[in-house]
Amino acid sequence: KQEVTQIPAALSVPEGENLVLNCSFTDSAIYNLQWFRQDPGKGLTSLLLIQSSQREQTSGRLNASLDKSSGRSTLYIAASQPGDSATYLCAVRGSGGYQKVTFGTGTKLQVIP
Amino acid sequence: GAGVSQSPSNKVTEKGKDVELRCDPISGHTALYWYRQSLGQGLEFLIYFQGNSAPDKSGLPSDRFSAERTGGSVSTLTIQRTQQEDSAVYLCASSSANTEAFFGQGTRLTVV
Repeated sequence: KQEVTQIPAALSVPEGENLVLNCSFTDSAIYNLQWFRQDPGKGLTSLLLIQSSQREQTSGRLNASLDKSSGRSTLYIAASQPGDSATYLCAVRGSGGYQKVTFGTGTKLQVIP
Repeated sequence: GAGVSQSPSNKVTEKGKDVELRCDPISGHTALYWYRQSLGQGLEFLIYFQGNSAPDKSGLPSDRFSAERTGGSVSTLTIQRTQQEDSAVYLCASSSANTEAFFGQGTRLTVV
């Protein structure tokens, strides 16, 4: 059974700092890994998708890396802004005939102006 | 539509009543997922569809919960004899074979 863990559970940083969010998963047989953002009371917005054959993906100030063999992914946010405040979730999709998406527990980020 | 559509967006129901939640996935997406998020909690997996079949129903919390998908498209999540602990946001997502998962905005269910 796939288990996905995110550390830390909550993070508070001053505006302008670079930060790293961590995601670990127990079963390395994954198809892809996706990072999402969730604002309070809202749905999930996809940020980055990394296929299992890829090592990283970049979008603007966001960079996500994947080390499948060690079961880890990181989301790097450069020059954080108050608008980045949200809960960040990683999700892994299993490989094989049944591709269930398993979500991590989330990291609640607060960027202080 | 271009995205995943869920209806209703909000539902208030009396304890003991049945409710139906609907999800319209992105056209052509073969995989469809239902999740539940209680207030302040993480996402709880309910059920996964591949086409019209559900290879994983392990997340359904009780036999009061059921879901179906027809035509490889629309899915309905039914909760019978609702209880107050069923109050949550129910989220639906869809994806294709090698694409990212896209979520709908959810249905906020309140059982009073």
